Amino acid sequence: GENVEQHPSTLSVQEGDSAVIKCTYSDSASNYFPWYKQELGKGPQLIIDIRSNVGEKKDQRIAVTLNKTAKHFSLHITETQPEDSAVYFCAASMDSSASKIIFGSGTRLSIRP
Amino acid sequence: DTAVSQTPKYLVTQMGNDKSIKCEQNLGHDTMYWYKQDSKKFLKIMFSYNNKELIINETVPNRFSPKSPDKAHLNLHINSLELGDSAVYFCASSQLTGRDTQYFGPGTRLTVL
Repeated sequence: GENVEQHPSTLSVQEGDSAVIKCTYSDSASNYFPWYKQELGKGPQLIIDIRSNVGEKKDQRIAVTLNKTAKHFSLHITETQPEDSAVYFCAASMDSSASKIIFGSGTRLSIRP
Repeated sequence: DTAVSQTPKYLVTQMGNDKSIKCEQNLGHDTMYWYKQDSKKFLKIMFSYNNKELIINETVPNRFSPKSPDKAHLNLHINSLELGDSAVYFCASSQLTGRDTQYFGPGTRLTVL
């Protein structure tokens, strides 16, 4: 089955700097890659996703890149702000009616003022 | 106004007891899920229902039994609670299974003493 590895487990960056979180997946059939943000005491919330027919997607300060050949994808957050502090999860899934999303182990991002 | 709601938010109980967690979504989605998040933040799917039909059943002990009375509700009943069941349980819903945005509830923190 699919296995998703995520690095780093913790990340501390200065406010205004960029943060990068990297994930690799094992199943080449996976074609949907969402990223979720979990704030303290809340459920995860989708922030951006990418499908295998594109290599990059941007939404304001957030971007995701996908390298299908190498089976890895990354989340980039630019101009980080205090409200970006949270746990971020990458995930992978197949385009199938019975498929499930497999989550990475999470990255705790802290923004230093 | 709440999209996915869960009750209760906190549940503290003794080992051996039976407890239930309720989940409701008002998004009109066809698919609902139960996830378990352990103390290290690992997020793992337990069950998935599509239109009241069980489609994903991970290797979860038989003590856990999901029930979907209708498309908008997915409850989780746990028999003979064990210490290792202590975790945060999240309900989620999506329109499509696997390859679509999942909307998570606020979570139920279960503590077994």
